[in-house]
Amino acid sequence: GESVGLHLPTLSVQEGDNSIINCAYSNSASDYFIWYKQESGKGPQFIIDIRSNMDKRQGQRVTVLLNKTVKHLSLQIAATQPGDSAVYFCAENPGGYQKVTFGTGTKLQVIP
Amino acid sequence: DAGVIQSPRHEVTEMGQEVTLRCKPISGHDYLFWYRQTMMRGLELLIYFNNNVPIDDSGMPEDRFSAKMPNASFSTLKIQPSEPRDSAVYFCASSQDRVKAFFGQGTRLTVV
Repeated sequence: GESVGLHLPTLSVQEGDNSIINCAYSNSASDYFIWYKQESGKGPQFIIDIRSNMDKRQGQRVTVLLNKTVKHLSLQIAATQPGDSAVYFCAENPGGYQKVTFGTGTKLQVIP
Repeated sequence: DAGVIQSPRHEVTEMGQEVTLRCKPISGHDYLFWYRQTMMRGLELLIYFNNNVPIDDSGMPEDRFSAKMPNASFSTLKIQPSEPRDSAVYFCASSQDRVKAFFGQGTRLTVV
């Protein structure tokens, strides 16, 4: 039979608008979270991180929000630009020597 | 620093042949990771090293896969014999703290 690949959720945003990318994580014991950006043909690139003792962290044009109650992470990109088009992954660190796990990713398409 | 350097960038090989992927981590990073990325399974951790010692190889799919880190500045991932289902993009990443990883550009492997 035909193999089926991962279905990446896609978010299409008009240039200049704000983008919100969401991620549900699985382990309530996870103590550290990272957002990565992967452009076509390149490796994932670190964007921003947040520790579990925080609920918000801001960077340049990006903000990460953490809601531990519902195990939800979001990445907000202000004034989205064409260069923001990429796949965005969240990653969680369960702590100890457990492996960092990556989400399946969200594709962001910026419409000029 | 030039970042994590992987070679080759692209590799096309015939089924049954041995394939060796190479990685030079960022100087001073004590952790080195090998990931595989496919449409079917997303980004998977194969193995990681700390101070040149393999810590977790539970992600290595089969005995056909092996990884070595003879010194702090070099690692290899070997597949012998290669099979078409090994076709993927293989990423090497390094880190100072095990969680915040810096990725190379990847090696796109095609096994025909």
